[in-house]
Amino acid sequence: AQSVTQLGSHVSVSEGALVLLRCNYSSSVPPYLFWYVQYPNQGLQLLLKYTTGATLVKGINGFEAEFKKSETSFHLTKPSAHMSDAAEYFCAVSDIYGGSQGNLIFGKGTKLSVKP
Amino acid sequence: GAGVSQTPSNKVTEKGKYVELRCDPISGHTALYWYRQSLGQGPEFLIYFQGTGAADDSGLPNDRFFAVRPEGSVSTLKIQRTERGDSAVYLCASSLYNRDSTDTQYFGPGTRLTVL
Repeated sequence: AQSVTQLGSHVSVSEGALVLLRCNYSSSVPPYLFWYVQYPNQGLQLLLKYTTGATLVKGINGFEAEFKKSETSFHLTKPSAHMSDAAEYFCAVSDIYGGSQGNLIFGKGTKLSVKP
Repeated sequence: GAGVSQTPSNKVTEKGKYVELRCDPISGHTALYWYRQSLGQGPEFLIYFQGTGAADDSGLPNDRFFAVRPEGSVSTLKIQRTERGDSAVYLCASSLYNRDSTDTQYFGPGTRLTVL
């Protein structure tokens, strides 16, 4: 069965500092990997996704993530945090084939706070 | 263009009552998903529609939950004999094609259901 582990339910950084949100996954088949962001009272918005090809994926708002198969990781980074980045971030995985293909399996989320 | 919309945004009901939650997907999207997000958790898959049919309902927790999409557009999630444990945010997502593709799932803002 697939699963996603996000280390740290709450991460706090200073404005301008590096953002690193950790995600490890477990999957018996090659996965697709996603990062979504959720602002208060809004729906989940896709930041970036990995399907095939280049393992370093660039997304919106300056975020990027690298798929590392050997480490089963897909950590999200941003070089310099902005106050507007404060939100909750979810890592998700889906199978590329099989009975549950396409269904997103989410981690529990990491709430990012940005201090001025 | 218009995104995924969900109504109502908030629903408070009493234990044992029946509720209906509505999802309007993005126009032209054939795939529709329902997820449930409990407090402090990531969203969990409930059901997937391809067109009018429920192609995968493996995530529905029990037979009190049912969903329809009679014309392949709007979907309604129906919960009978609500229990306090059903309290959660119910999220709807749609994507352009079926789940064989790598299409992005676009999420609505959710319906917050509270069962007293």
